[in-house]
Amino acid sequence: QKEVEQDPGPLSVPEGAIVSLNCTYSNSAFQYFMWYRQYSRKGPELLMYTYSSGNKEDGRFTAQVDKSSKYISLFIRDSQPSDSATYLCAMSLDTNAGKSTFGDGTTLTVKP
Amino acid sequence: DAGITQSPRHKVTETGTPVTLRCHQTENHRYMYWYRQDPGHGLRLIHYSYGVKDTDKGEVSDGYSVSRSKTEDFLLTLESATSSQTSVYFCAISEPGTPQETQYFGPGTRLLVL
Repeated sequence: QKEVEQDPGPLSVPEGAIVSLNCTYSNSAFQYFMWYRQYSRKGPELLMYTYSSGNKEDGRFTAQVDKSSKYISLFIRDSQPSDSATYLCAMSLDTNAGKSTFGDGTTLTVKP
Repeated sequence: DAGITQSPRHKVTETGTPVTLRCHQTENHRYMYWYRQDPGHGLRLIHYSYGVKDTDKGEVSDGYSVSRSKTEDFLLTLESATSSQTSVYFCAISEPGTPQETQYFGPGTRLLVL
């Protein structure tokens, strides 16, 4: 069993929909939780970063961490075609980014 | 892509051939990383460097070596390429002590080993 599980999708939604992306993990020691966005044929870029449990909001994006359930989510409100990308979750034991464990990614398409 | 270039961007090679991929950064970040990305496996760390001539192995280092003689350059070498090393390779950089120690990724190199 993988340490980080992510539904690969693909996920297709109409423009304006609320999108929910999720990851589960098995290592309860993870403290730092990240979401990356990766456009086709590009490198990943950091979208959201959360320490421990709780919510974090940035514009149309909200990251949630539930450490008791070992479950993290990324919500995208008012989704746009420009949100079409692969979203990778990642988590680590400490601030050392190189020690992150990545999910496989969920591919999202937002249709106009 | 935050001042990170990778070369070549695409390469086709034959089994048994040595291959070197280059990562160059203009951000003067201390840490550099090499990942591979494969369907069903996500991003996996191959090697990383915490400074010039300071490198260490990651999760999937077998068959790969690295060198870092200058802050700005991090080379990944496949000593004798195999078909299982067909992948997309990403370089990343980060600076310790900065908020979140954000990793910035390069544009990737697509390698096909025939």
